[in-house]
Amino acid sequence: KNEVEQSPQNLTAQEGEFITINCSYSVGISALHWLQQHPGGGIVSLFMLSSGKKKHGRLIATINIQEKHSSLHITASHPRDSAVYICAVHPLTDSWGKLQFGAGTQVVVTP
Amino acid sequence: DTEVTQTPKHLVMGMTNKKSLKCEQHMGHRAMYWYKQKAKKPPELMFVYSYEKLSINESVPSRFSPECPNSSLLNLHLHALQPEDSALYLCASSPLDRAGANVLTFGAGSRLTVL
Repeated sequence: KNEVEQSPQNLTAQEGEFITINCSYSVGISALHWLQQHPGGGIVSLFMLSSGKKKHGRLIATINIQEKHSSLHITASHPRDSAVYICAVHPLTDSWGKLQFGAGTQVVVTP
Repeated sequence: DTEVTQTPKHLVMGMTNKKSLKCEQHMGHRAMYWYKQKAKKPPELMFVYSYEKLSINESVPSRFSPECPNSSLLNLHLHALQPEDSALYLCASSPLDRAGANVLTFGAGSRLTVL
């Protein structure tokens, strides 16, 4: 069983819609990453969170450490937001960047 | 410079070839990583170098040989690979300001095809 679960697996939205991706994890963590990967491409780190909320442009990430849950929100979605979004956690037991990854959420935003 | 640069972007090799993947960063990061990613799967950690020393080898077959010549460079030497080794190989680095959570900066990846 994967210790990091993401939902939904796939998501299609129309341009302008509000998108939410959820991530639940079962281990104690020191931080959580939200990553973005475009088709065939490398990975971009969007956020690293250990508490609360972060905002960058149209992206908002929140985390509730007690509930072991994080969400990534995309406001006013755009076709260029089409990508795979991956949640990854730093378990407390690991020190050297041994991230545990979720399976990813494929997001498609149509014009 | 806030990038991790990987070369080549694409590599096709036969099972008897010897090739290398290269990764470079000039952010002063002291931890560097190799990940392997198969299609539609999350990345899998292969190796971690911290302060130019191999810290983690995730039981990777010896046909993959990492090398960290200095704090800015990370190589992955490939020899006698199998077709199932075809994947996207991602390099990443992090600052190691404190143990545990560090923001990783990923490269664009090297897409390897083994014939």
